[in-house]
Amino acid sequence: AQSVTQLDSQVPVFEEAPVELRCNYSSSVSVYLFWYVQYPNQGLQLLLKYLSGSTLVKGINGFEAEFNKSQTSFHLRKPSVHISDTAEYFCAVSVLSSGGYNKLIFGAGTRLAVHP
Amino acid sequence: DTGVSQNPRHKITKRGQNVTFRCDPISEHNRLYWYRQTLGQGPEFLTYFQNEAQLEKSRLLSDRFSAERPKGSFSTLEIQRTEQGDSAMYLCASSLAHPGGPYNSPLHFGNGTRLTVT
Repeated sequence: AQSVTQLDSQVPVFEEAPVELRCNYSSSVSVYLFWYVQYPNQGLQLLLKYLSGSTLVKGINGFEAEFNKSQTSFHLRKPSVHISDTAEYFCAVSVLSSGGYNKLIFGAGTRLAVHP
Repeated sequence: DTGVSQNPRHKITKRGQNVTFRCDPISEHNRLYWYRQTLGQGPEFLTYFQNEAQLEKSRLLSDRFSAERPKGSFSTLEIQRTEQGDSAMYLCASSLAHPGGPYNSPLHFGNGTRLTVT
């Protein structure tokens, strides 16, 4: 069964420092991978997605992620964070069901806390 | 594109009461999903609709839960005889299927309904 592991539950970082949020997945088939961000009391907003092609994917708000098939990883990075990046970040894998549709399986989330 | 709308945003109810939540997806989206998110966890899949047909229900969805999507537009999620363990954020998402391919557009989420059962 497909699953997603986010290796850090919390990541504290100072403003303007770089950050990496780690995500590993398990899947025996081709995968589509996503990162979502959730601000307090809000739903999830798509940051970026990997479907195929270039393994380096750029998203919104200056985030990027690299798909590494051999390491089954999809880590999220940002070279310089802002206070406003403080949020919960979720990695997700898209699973193709027997009915031919995709559903997302989420990791437990990483809380990014940016300090001044 | 007005986004996915969920109502109410917050619901406090006493144990044993019934509650109903509503989700209005993005108008052209034919797929609709319900997820549940508890504190400190990622969203967990509950159920999925393709147009008006409910095609999958998670084992998380006990007999007290029922979801409908009449006419393939808005959806409702009802919880009967609520329990304290039902307290969570209930998220609705929608997407547009691309016929003939395995890829869907990414899921677009609403802001959720936070349920507190006292």
